[in-house]
Amino acid sequence: KQEVTQIPAALSVPEGENLVLNCSFTDSAIYNLQWFRQDPGKGLTSLLLIQSSQREQTSGRLNASLDKSSGRSTLYIAASQPGDSATYLCAALDRGSTLGRLYFGRGTQLTVWP
Amino acid sequence: NAGVTQTPKFQVLKTGQSMTLQCAQDMNHEYMSWYRQDPGMGLRLIHYSVGAGITDQGEVPNGYNVSRSTTEDFPLRLLSAAPSQTSVYFCASSYTQGLESPLHFGNGTRLTVT
Repeated sequence: KQEVTQIPAALSVPEGENLVLNCSFTDSAIYNLQWFRQDPGKGLTSLLLIQSSQREQTSGRLNASLDKSSGRSTLYIAASQPGDSATYLCAALDRGSTLGRLYFGRGTQLTVWP
Repeated sequence: NAGVTQTPKFQVLKTGQSMTLQCAQDMNHEYMSWYRQDPGMGLRLIHYSVGAGITDQGEVPNGYNVSRSTTEDFPLRLLSAAPSQTSVYFCASSYTQGLESPLHFGNGTRLTVT
């Protein structure tokens, strides 16, 4: 069974810092990997989706990379802002069966202080 | 564009009561699913559907029923509520059956069973 781990569980940084969130998965035979953001009391919002054939995806100040061979993905946030404070989750799409199943990490809770 | 709409936002039930959590999407998505999110457990898949008339069990299906009579709606039924079902429930949908497209979440239903 695929297991997805996110380290650290919580991160607190001052505004302006560049930071990296880590996601690791145990089975490298994934189809894609998604990064989500969750604000308190809200659902998850998809940030970036990296297909297994891709190495990275970028959206604004966010850059996600994927290294299947090492079972790792990173989310890079440039020039962090207080509005980036949220929980960030990654999810790996496993295609072991005919239809896919997403396996979620437990998230990294990010606080960016002014 | 409303996206994924869940009702109600909050619900309190007594043990043994039944209820239906509603989920509707207006994006013509084939894939719909229900997750529960609990502290320390992360997101767990309850049931999912890859199209009207097709449903299947996820990781934690016991105590829940689903049906998919239309593309738009995917209600989750609690047959006889138990305190262990106290959780936040999220409905999510994706354009493609195989989850090659991003997953869109509703804002959740916070359920308390006393």
